[in-house]
Amino acid sequence: EVQLVESGGVVVQPGGSLRLSCAASGFTFDDYTMHWVRQAPGKGLEWVSLISWDGGSTYYADSVKGRFTISRDNSKNSLYLQMNSLRTEDTALYYCAKGGKNYFDAFDIWGQGTMVTVSS
Amino acid sequence: QSVLTQPPSASGTPGQRVTISCSGSSSNIGSNYVYWYQQLPGTAPKLLIYRNNQRPSGVPDRFSGSKSGTSASLAISGLRSEDEADYYCAAWDDSLSGPWVFGGGTKLTVL
Repeated sequence: EVQLVESGGVVVQPGGSLRLSCAASGFTFDDYTMHWVRQAPGKGLEWVSLISWDGGSTYYADSVKGRFTISRDNSKNSLYLQMNSLRTEDTALYYCAKGGKNYFDAFDIWGQGTMVTVSS
Repeated sequence: QSVLTQPPSASGTPGQRVTISCSGSSSNIGSNYVYWYQQLPGTAPKLLIYRNNQRPSGVPDRFSGSKSGTSASLAISGLRSEDEADYYCAAWDDSLSGPWVFGGGTKLTVL
């Protein structure tokens, strides 16, 4: 069974840092791009970042560029999101999502999400 | 303000056919595939339609997608109570602010 399990979400103060993790199973992890997508409470979906199969290429939404860093460890079937200089507007449920074999194929499998709350 | 524009709400009665629109531009829908997601209350989104009109295995053929120019539509026929959910469109965007963009979502109510 294809599965994605996120972890690392907590309550953090504005300006703080946090690292999210996503453990993948049930598919050949290093064949696929991977994404982070977030959803603020009561709001819609917002794409955050993507990483190529080998980690060599990354893309970010303007709202997180320069503050967030996506990475992956294919030996551990794991995806990460390093979040720095957190703002209250970063409060959201963060989903890990499996992409396609190229950047143009969207996310077909999603995890259940991990909640990040930025508050003083 | 989302890059892709969807109506905030839609409704229908059981058995009816409803459509949800998604409007974009030449840099996203006009030149790339459209994807549709269903989000049931309290759950993660689920892929409903990929590459404009393809259904993943397990998605009923009551769900169909289409695209014309810079707009796309999701149609649900034979509406059922379990279809009550939020629906989102998504597309790759060739502009610098991209690359992936979502619609704001449409809440479908089954009356």
